[in-house]
Amino acid sequence: KNQVEQSPQSLIILEGKNCTLQCNYTVSPFSNLRWYKQDTGRGPVSLTIMTFSENTKSNGRYTATLDADTKQSSLHITASQLSDSASYICVVSALYDMRFGAGTRLTVKP
Amino acid sequence: EAGVVQSPRYKIIEKKQPVAFWCNPISGHNTLYWYRQNLGQGPELLIRYENEEAVDDSQLPKDRFSAERLKGVDSTLKIQPAELGDSAVYLCASSSSFGGDRPSYEQYFGPGTRLTVT
Repeated sequence: KNQVEQSPQSLIILEGKNCTLQCNYTVSPFSNLRWYKQDTGRGPVSLTIMTFSENTKSNGRYTATLDADTKQSSLHITASQLSDSASYICVVSALYDMRFGAGTRLTVKP
Repeated sequence: EAGVVQSPRYKIIEKKQPVAFWCNPISGHNTLYWYRQNLGQGPELLIRYENEEAVDDSQLPKDRFSAERLKGVDSTLKIQPAELGDSAVYLCASSSSFGGDRPSYEQYFGPGTRLTVT
């Protein structure tokens, strides 16, 4: 069964600190992996997209990594800001399927 | 450029009543998706349109849910009758291409409609 598991379910950090979110998947055959940021009351917004051959991709303070062999991805947030408080959703696509993780709820406190 | 537009943003109805959601995708996007998102969960695909054709509606509860995309642009999702368990956020998204042996392209999401069934 194609699944996407994210951890932790929720995370609280202090402003300025770094954090790493995890995504494990069993989706096959793999096409691409995206990380989305979803602010409360808003639709998800894409942060990064990676294909099979890409190991790392950055978008400002967000850096995503992909290990296609172990089927794991991580999203690293550097020097967190209050505006980073949101849910981060991992989405893995196969040829005919797209699976969403349940998300990690990040809270950044001053 | 205008993003995906959805209306209404919020809707409160009593169970057994009908409800409809409307979505206007980004201009030129031929693929349109409807998702349901329960609290604390990721979105779940209900139906995907390629132009005016529903190409994936396997997760749409067809006994009470229906959708249409007239002329391959705007789309409407309807629930009749609504049940308590239908309370969720209904998201619409659009993209320029998806499907077959082609890579899935970027999806742009609307703000969603929060439905509360009492």
